[in-house]
Amino acid sequence: ETGVTQSPTHLIKTRGQQVTLRCSSQSGHNTVSWYQQALGQGPQFIFQYYREEENGRGNFPPRFSGLQFPNYSSELNVNALELDDSALYLCASSPRLTGSSYEQYFGPGTRLTVT
Amino acid sequence: DQQVKQNSPSLSVQEGRISILNCDYTNSMFDYFLWYKKYPAEGPTFLISISSIKDKNEDGRFTVFLNKSAKHLSLHIVPSQPGDSAVYFCAASDSNTGNQFYFGTGTSLTVIP
Repeated sequence: ETGVTQSPTHLIKTRGQQVTLRCSSQSGHNTVSWYQQALGQGPQFIFQYYREEENGRGNFPPRFSGLQFPNYSSELNVNALELDDSALYLCASSPRLTGSSYEQYFGPGTRLTVT
Repeated sequence: DQQVKQNSPSLSVQEGRISILNCDYTNSMFDYFLWYKKYPAEGPTFLISISSIKDKNEDGRFTVFLNKSAKHLSLHIVPSQPGDSAVYFCAASDSNTGNQFYFGTGTSLTVIP
């Protein structure tokens, strides 16, 4: 069983640029969530995708957007990068959506640095 | 608005002794709680969970206790081992919405050999 993978591992971008981060969910998981983890903080929920539709969004501006593909892999896009976007971006997949309790399985993350 | 809080940024424990990590939450709608362990340069790894219909869940050396009236949960590790040294996050969700987990800021556990 393949776990959650993310690419790239590290990325350096300049303020104002755009970035795309990628995530492959664990086999059999149809739900993907994205989190931002700033230094010294816990992961903060950005949004979740279920069967290619956004299903829930945290307190992040519209310049954070995403996609989920038919194979349940996902992308996180961030436009007009700001210095405060520098963080570890984590992707997590899970097998079910609402109405039941479930754990999320995290990938290793992408470290984004904005200069 | 931090709905899940871990007030101890760090904890040091002697090998073989008990480690107790604490977590408080404010949202009474939370009914599912998890603990994750994180090593540097890795994503969080799921450790143990508890539903609000229980007050205790045990898995080997790890036990999670939930006190709903106090909105408090704790993770006990007995006996502690040097390999347990990591950052531990608690997380909570409302399973009726199910789509958002709220994480604490983490507690860095060091187990001293």
